[in-house]
Amino acid sequence: GAGVSQTPSNKVTEKGKYVELRCDPISGHTALYWYRQSLGQGPEFLIYFQGTGAADDSGLPNDRFFAVRPEGSVSTLKIQRTERGDSAVYLCASSLTVGQDTQYFGPGTRLTVL
Amino acid sequence: AQSVTQLGSHVSVSEGALVLLRCNYSSSVPPYLFWYVQYPNQGLQLLLKYTSAATLVKGINGFEAEFKKSETSFHLTKPSAHMSDAAEYFCAVGPSGTYKYIFGTGTRLKVLA
Repeated sequence: GAGVSQTPSNKVTEKGKYVELRCDPISGHTALYWYRQSLGQGPEFLIYFQGTGAADDSGLPNDRFFAVRPEGSVSTLKIQRTERGDSAVYLCASSLTVGQDTQYFGPGTRLTVL
Repeated sequence: AQSVTQLGSHVSVSEGALVLLRCNYSSSVPPYLFWYVQYPNQGLQLLLKYTSAATLVKGINGFEAEFKKSETSFHLTKPSAHMSDAAEYFCAVGPSGTYKYIFGTGTRLKVLA
């Protein structure tokens, strides 16, 4: 079946602009996660959704970052007033339920802030 | 707090040689442990996971890892490297029942012909 998909695959923007990154999880997966992978680092947890609600957003670096999942499926990560330090690969993952289930990752969106 | 240390950011092996990628973890509760592989421009793919059952875990593509509590290690091995194994490998820890995977910084495996 189809895996996790993310669009766009690459996004180049200018400092100060607003961006949206989309994640389409595996059908039927109730849990959705966003991670950020900076160059030379492993992925770092940003936020987790169970259904429509953000169950844990403790990894979001500041209030410029926000994510939604209005219908419990597709999620959008939104970044306001982008900064050069936001440049990274943003990964989305989904799992059937939370906790013991394996997280399946999408290919990521590479964000470059000029 | 949980953490993961991967020793060696770059590892090179000859084709046909043993692959050994090291991972040590820190966890105050029984952990779940994972190895993921990342090919260029692709997402993370699960190789194997340990969830407190058998300590020797077999994964895809001939990889396996052994959980050693006394050494707090979860090293990844493969008896014979193939050129197609060249990729970046990430070890992750996720305390049982939680969703916050903590990843290591990754090891880039190069396979020499």
